[in-house]
Amino acid sequence: DVKVTQSSRYLVKRTGEKVFLECVQDMDHENMFWYRQDPGLGLRLIYFSYDVKMKEKGDIPEGYSVSREKKERFSLILESASTNQTSMYLCASTRQSTYNEQFFGPGTRLTVL
Amino acid sequence: RKEVEQDPGPFNVPEGATVAFNCTYSNSASQSFFWYRQDCRKEPKLLMSVYSSGNEDGRFTAQLNRASQYISLLIRDSKLSDSATYLCVVGAGNMLTFGGGTRLMVKP
Repeated sequence: DVKVTQSSRYLVKRTGEKVFLECVQDMDHENMFWYRQDPGLGLRLIYFSYDVKMKEKGDIPEGYSVSREKKERFSLILESASTNQTSMYLCASTRQSTYNEQFFGPGTRLTVL
Repeated sequence: RKEVEQDPGPFNVPEGATVAFNCTYSNSASQSFFWYRQDCRKEPKLLMSVYSSGNEDGRFTAQLNRASQYISLLIRDSKLSDSATYLCVVGAGNMLTFGGGTRLMVKP
């Protein structure tokens, strides 16, 4: 059974803090993704990675960076958190193929005060 | 214009009803099509893939019209447990683009 885990379900941080969101998958998937989900806007892709140490910008990369040092782990970093980064963050993974489903983690609800 | 558009709803239907959702997409190079289901405060999960010939899975039928660039989902004999948000998802390469979702509420 595929499992994607995220380090926290709920997180509260202050403006200007550095925030790390961790994602781990146990199915040896090549591709990993970070999305944010906001009411009325749906899921928007922040960054993705198709291999270790590789990363590509998604639709809304500003204010974020990522790290993929190991195949199973993909980290999202907010260098200096801002209130407009309050959101639900979802990590997903999939095999290297167009037609495979993406498996999502449970999400991290981040609140920036 | 959004790349994948859906009516946000909510669709309020009684148990046993048939309900249909539509979704339009703008990228004519899209190659893969899916419906995902998302329960309240949960992550999205794949409901079904959508094939050009149309496909059925129990009470759920998905259809794709490439010429008009729309996808549909039909749910027959709605159950209370079908209450959720249904996300239309379109893929090109390794990338998926999600619609905003259509909320369905099935009432007793």
